Amino acid sequence: AQSVTQPDIHITVSEGASLELRCNYSYGATPYLFWYVQSPGQGLQLLLKYFSGDTLVQGIKGFEAEFKRSQSSFNLRKPSVHWSDAAEYFCASRGNYGQNFVFGPGTRLSVLP
Amino acid sequence: ETGVTQSPTHLIKTRGQQVTLRCSSQSGHNTVSWYQQALGQGPQFIFQYYREEENGRGNFPPRFSGLQFPNYSSELNVNALELDDSALYLCASSLGSQPSYNEQFFGPGTRLTVL
Repeated sequence: AQSVTQPDIHITVSEGASLELRCNYSYGATPYLFWYVQSPGQGLQLLLKYFSGDTLVQGIKGFEAEFKRSQSSFNLRKPSVHWSDAAEYFCASRGNYGQNFVFGPGTRLSVLP
Repeated sequence: ETGVTQSPTHLIKTRGQQVTLRCSSQSGHNTVSWYQQALGQGPQFIFQYYREEENGRGNFPPRFSGLQFPNYSSELNVNALELDDSALYLCASSLGSQPSYNEQFFGPGTRLTVL
């Protein structure tokens, strides 16, 4: 069965610092992978997705993620965090035979001024 | 282009009651998925509707049911409400049901509280 883990429940970084949010997936083959962001009172917004090809994926708002098959990971990165990036971040996967979306438990990001 | 909308925003019910949540999909989208997000957790897939037919279901009991209408809007119905049904219910629409182009656009959610 598919599963997604996000080892960090809460991360605090200073504004301008770099960021890496971890995501590990469990699936028999390479799944489709996604990162979403959720601000308070809002729905989820897609930051980026990986289906195949280049393992470094660029997304919106300056985010990128790198797929590493050997580590079953899809970590999200940003070189310089802005105060507006404070939110909840979810990694998700979906099997490539029409299986359902599976979300991780989320990582809450706080940004210090 | 109108985004995904959900109604109502908030809802309070008591145990044993029934509830209907509504979702209007983004213009041109023919697929709607519903998720339950308990406090402090990630969304859990309830089911998906594609062209008015259920097209996949997560690990939820039959008292969770849905409909999709010809205009692709959708309803989520929950019977015999339990305390654990308290959650944020998210609706997401997309064009097509396959992963290769299945970017989902999420609505803001309906916050259901069961007392």
